[in-house]
Amino acid sequence: ETGVTQSPTHLIKTRGQQVTLRCSSQSGHNTVSWYQQALGQGPQFIFQYYREEENGRGNFPPRFSGLQFPNYSSELNVNALELDDSALYLCASSYWDRDETQYFGPGTRLLVL
Amino acid sequence: SQQGEEDPQALSIQEGENATMNCSYKTSINNLQWYRQNSGRGLVHLILIRSNEREKHSGRLRVTLDTSKKSSSLLITASRAADTASYFCATDARGGSYIPTFGRGTSLIVHP
Repeated sequence: ETGVTQSPTHLIKTRGQQVTLRCSSQSGHNTVSWYQQALGQGPQFIFQYYREEENGRGNFPPRFSGLQFPNYSSELNVNALELDDSALYLCASSYWDRDETQYFGPGTRLLVL
Repeated sequence: SQQGEEDPQALSIQEGENATMNCSYKTSINNLQWYRQNSGRGLVHLILIRSNEREKHSGRLRVTLDTSKKSSSLLITASRAADTASYFCATDARGGSYIPTFGRGTSLIVHP
């Protein structure tokens, strides 16, 4: 167990809807990263937050947005859902400048119909 | 785009045998990490090797890094059925923020 939790575990939405996924970081960590993992693929980096500021972004459109809160919990929001957004969404927390190891949560599996 | 690419895509062995997976990457790196993922769940960090290291061990795991060939290998010795999982390498490009780039993974099946 990494101490990183995500909710919900599973979610079904329809195309065009909006979704919010949540992540609670491991205690003491100040950085959170979000990844999208399609079936049979490796995780693709969406963005990273460090002390509530976006610290890097992958090749994802602006309808993917995020927040990190003072208690280092985090949200991933996706607007105007598309069928291709169906995937496992993973968050990972770490302590920037101390340890490059990322500690992953169990993921949220999103299905867009 | 995928920075690291694992090979083979799939590996099936008997319990007790050794399993070797390889990772190739394209640009200079600060470090390379190996992760394991059980059946569509979260990833678990296995081992980190820095660009100035050539070999590291952790229990039954042995990782090597050859920066001249831009490749790494993960060896699992005396495999167990519980080692059945997908294994990913993740590279951190030199000069950037720490944002690991994952490959597509090797799916390992260990038969009891």
